[in-house]
Amino acid sequence: DAGVIQSPRHEVTEMGQEVTLRCKPISGHDYLFWYRQTMMRGLELLIYFNNNVPIDDSGMPEDRFSAKMPNASFSTLKIQPSEPRDSAVYFCASSFNRGYGYTFGSGTRLTVV
Amino acid sequence: DQQVKQNSPSLSVQEGRISILNCDYTNSMFDYFLWYKKYPAEGPTFLISISSIKDKNEDGRFTVFLNKSAKHLSLHIVPSQPGDSAVYFCAARNSGGSNYKLTFGKGTLLTVNP
Repeated sequence: DAGVIQSPRHEVTEMGQEVTLRCKPISGHDYLFWYRQTMMRGLELLIYFNNNVPIDDSGMPEDRFSAKMPNASFSTLKIQPSEPRDSAVYFCASSFNRGYGYTFGSGTRLTVV
Repeated sequence: DQQVKQNSPSLSVQEGRISILNCDYTNSMFDYFLWYKKYPAEGPTFLISISSIKDKNEDGRFTVFLNKSAKHLSLHIVPSQPGDSAVYFCAARNSGGSNYKLTFGKGTLLTVNP
């Protein structure tokens, strides 16, 4: 199993541009989570899906952020327009059937200049 | 409002000694706790967990202790090895209701010196 796959690994973009982060969860996992890691706030949950349906998006910072899961093997997190304060490492994780731990991807390091 | 707190941003220990990482929580509805380990440029990986019905769980060199009355848990690593150098995240889950998510602390950077 290749694990949770995130792309790109690094993204540098200019303020105001649209950014799309991608995630492929582990096959068979029915929960998918998007987290953001910053020095100030640590790992914070942005949104999670169960069976492709968004369950809790209370952590999404503002309307500039949106996430979709069109099928069980793919999810995107989009920021439009991006701002320098969005610079962080974004992690995707998946889990099986309310399992007791997540499997994380390697993350996408986003830098907005 | 941080519901899971790791008050020590960093910890340095000598190889062979014990490492103790601490975590406090405020939400009494948390009933399952986990520790994750994170190396640079990698995602966090699951290390060990404990249910609120227990006060200790051991896995090799790693032991997690839970004190529910104090809302405190700790991770003990004995003996510590240089390969244990990483950021350790404490996480907690509220299993009540239909919401299923982990709340993480900010992490503690452990450095094990040879």
